[in-house]
Amino acid sequence: DTGVSQNPRHKITKRGQNVTFRCDPISEHNRLYWYRQTLGQGPEFLTYFQNEAQLEKSRLLSDRFSAERPKGSFSTLEIQRTEQGDSAMYLCASSFPGAYEQYFGPGTRLTVT
Amino acid sequence: TQLLEQSPQFLSIQEGENLTVYCNSSSVFSSLQWYRQEPGEGPVLLVTVVTGGEVKKLKRLTFQFGDARKDSSLHITAAQPGDTGLYLCAGHWGGGSEKLVFGKGTKLTVNP
Repeated sequence: DTGVSQNPRHKITKRGQNVTFRCDPISEHNRLYWYRQTLGQGPEFLTYFQNEAQLEKSRLLSDRFSAERPKGSFSTLEIQRTEQGDSAMYLCASSFPGAYEQYFGPGTRLTVT
Repeated sequence: TQLLEQSPQFLSIQEGENLTVYCNSSSVFSSLQWYRQEPGEGPVLLVTVVTGGEVKKLKRLTFQFGDARKDSSLHITAAQPGDTGLYLCAGHWGGGSEKLVFGKGTKLTVNP
């Protein structure tokens, strides 16, 4: 199966620590998206890339958050100086350019203690 | 701010019953997707609708896009316990943005 993969699936960290998540999109997809989902809510858009270019960022993406996609393949999302409010499921999705459909990975569940 | 309202928020029914969930907005969508999500997993795409008035069927699931492309519904016939999950609608408004805007979802429980 060559779906979207995310690592790690779960991360527990202490407040103030930095964390990094990885997303590997479906291989033919050159668009990659990051979303965040908290309990009882639908996913909220964070940012998206077309190839290596970051083309859109949400206001939710504070200065402590940074995303990269250096070679236009996998992407990383880093959160610096984590806060308890960062506890959420971080979801990655990918798509073909111009396609409406976005395919999601299994997510990374972050818990900040 | 573009909002998607889903109703009902929770739905608990018996196996074999029919149900409909709704997704509404005051804005026009360029496309709308329905996803199903299980606890601890990512959303799984069920369908995309693009044309006003469009109806798509996926086995016992029927998806309808409103004529004005501001609303959508999902109808499940003869629900089964395996249909249990969180059903999310997500709209794509275009206008240069590629993001999907999601509703809060309808949590469906089908009891055997």
